[in-house]
Amino acid sequence: EAQVTQNPRYLITVTGKKLTVTCSQNMNHEYMSWYRQDPGLGLRQIYYSMNVEVTDKGDVPEGYKVSRKEKRNFPLILESPSPNQTSLYFCASSLSGTSGRGAYFGPGTRLTVT
Amino acid sequence: GDSVTQMEGPVTLSEEAFLTINCTYTATGYPSLFWYVQYPGEGLQLLLKATKADDKGSNKGFEATYRKETTSFHLEKGSVQVSDSAVYFCALSDQGTASKLTFGTGTRLQVTL
Repeated sequence: EAQVTQNPRYLITVTGKKLTVTCSQNMNHEYMSWYRQDPGLGLRQIYYSMNVEVTDKGDVPEGYKVSRKEKRNFPLILESPSPNQTSLYFCASSLSGTSGRGAYFGPGTRLTVT
Repeated sequence: GDSVTQMEGPVTLSEEAFLTINCTYTATGYPSLFWYVQYPGEGLQLLLKATKADDKGSNKGFEATYRKETTSFHLEKGSVQVSDSAVYFCALSDQGTASKLTFGTGTRLQVTL
């Protein structure tokens, strides 16, 4: 079954404690991306990757890091989480970009930073 | 930059009512347009799409037509069901960059018996 998986689905942590949210896709997609969803703001892109070792900033990259060492995986790293990073996070993938295709989305990771 | 504006919700309808959720966009190029649906506790699912002017996307009884002259992509369904209760997002992807989806703020639909 074609899917994007994220782990964990729920996470509560404290300010400053480094964390990683994993994302994996089984569709051999080149494009992967991270979004955050906040009430009244819709989804905003954090980072994206067009292929292995190719990443770039989205609209709200501050406080986040990513890496793309393998085609299937695209982890999101919060080196020093802060309460304003409390949000619902979605990983997405697409064959070769979003134009004309949109993207497949993972189930989401709800992060709370206290 | 690109932007998407959706009507604010929540939208509350009785089962079998007609649904319209308005969506307008601003883009520098010729974007692809999408509607995504998010059921409670789940991720986003692509509902329908249109890639050029006058295209009509359709799926599960939902329709939307790409109107370049009014920069709109309104979502419609002739007869909603309780199972359609969800949050609906309008989105665009610029043809030039193809590196992201730009989303509206979402419209919550609640359908009652």
